[in-house]
Amino acid sequence: QVQLVESGGGVVQPGRSLRLSCAASGFTFSSYAMHWVRQAPGKGLEWVAVIWYDGTNKQFADSVKGRLTISRDNSKNTLYLQINSLRAEDTAVYFCGRGGVAGTGALDYWGQGTLVTVSS
Amino acid sequence: EIVMTQSPATLSVSPGERATLSCRASQTISSNLAWYQQRPGHVPRLLIYGASTRATGIPARFRGSGSGTAFTLTISGLQSEDFAVYYCQSYNNWWGTFGPGTKVDVK
Repeated sequence: QVQLVESGGGVVQPGRSLRLSCAASGFTFSSYAMHWVRQAPGKGLEWVAVIWYDGTNKQFADSVKGRLTISRDNSKNTLYLQINSLRAEDTAVYFCGRGGVAGTGALDYWGQGTLVTVSS
Repeated sequence: EIVMTQSPATLSVSPGERATLSCRASQTISSNLAWYQQRPGHVPRLLIYGASTRATGIPARFRGSGSGTAFTLTISGLQSEDFAVYYCQSYNNWWGTFGPGTKVDVK
């Protein structure tokens, strides 16, 4: 069965960096685009970034462009999100999601999420 | 950047009744729209993609419609597990902008 497991969250001071990971299993990871979505406490979903199945194309939300790097290692079935210059407003649960159902950008599988708290 | 809006913010419905949720895009997105359900404490679940195609395992009481800039999610015969927050998402050109959500609660 498809599984996505995020890790790397925690409490981080403002201005520091953090790298999140998403380990995938149960499907051919290298055939799917992968997304990051975040959800601040008590708030709605915010799409953050997507990376093509082969890593050749990446897109970012305007709100995070320039501070985030998305990458993947298809040999390790793992997706990454590097967040630099962390701000209080980056505090959220970060979900990874599989895209590409029927060739679309909809996310058909989601991980359980990892909580990032930016606080001094 | 495409902006998604949803209405109403909260919809109060009695069990067994029908709920109609609206979603609008700031520019045309063809049928590049998905709907998700998120129950409290749970991960979002894909309901609809391509504006009207139900995802695997989604009951027929969930129906999506629309194209261009105006979309609707209709839930017929609301069951207890359907009371949740519903988000629409545009994935035009693979950008994945979400709407602010509609909370469906018990009337």
